[in-house]
Amino acid sequence: GQQLNQSPQSMFIQEGEDVSMNCTSSSIFNTWLWYKQDPGEGPVLLIALYKAGELTSNGRLTAQFGITRKDSFLNISASIPSDVGIYFCAGHNTGTASKLTFGTGTRLQVTL
Amino acid sequence: GAGVSQTPSNKVTEKGKYVELRCDPISGHTALYWYRQSLGQGPEFLIYFQGTGAADDSGLPNDRFFAVRPEGSVSTLKIQRTERGDSAVYLCASSFSPGTHEQFFGPGTRLTVL
Repeated sequence: GQQLNQSPQSMFIQEGEDVSMNCTSSSIFNTWLWYKQDPGEGPVLLIALYKAGELTSNGRLTAQFGITRKDSFLNISASIPSDVGIYFCAGHNTGTASKLTFGTGTRLQVTL
Repeated sequence: GAGVSQTPSNKVTEKGKYVELRCDPISGHTALYWYRQSLGQGPEFLIYFQGTGAADDSGLPNDRFFAVRPEGSVSTLKIQRTERGDSAVYLCASSFSPGTHEQFFGPGTRLTVL
């Protein structure tokens, strides 16, 4: 099935650094979501975006819904060790009966 | 607990066998979804239930895969004649209603087909 393209695929950063990752699609989505997945767990919703151009924050996380509706960005400020995990974007269209299309994931590792 | 639960957490089976994977959604959530996550990939949609009926089963890879939700709560994903390529983590998610895009995921069942 279709998977959205996420970059970077993985990244190593130092504690306290800011992190940026993005997600692109060949098709338009009406809703973008960002999830975090820890080993052995299911994805946990971080941020949901419902409007093109929307910028939404959740604590140290900030995400944007691209104007073209084909991309989204996630920023994490002042990273801490518990930010380690895999971050997935997911897109949704109202015509697809609530099916989420996920990205390939960005693996984040934070060093002290 | 209040979250989505899945059993078993791990299942090892032999090629050709039949397996059932169970999902208990969050109480009161009418929509239930199954996804499959292969190693190093994001989850891929399999099937979606609204109440007892399968509203969208377009993600099921073939007719060896089937899912039910007879009472509109617990769901069972059934795989017949398992193949090695079926090895993956099977994730279940639920949401309050299909119009709510915020899906809450369970921890998954890791299926290994030998």
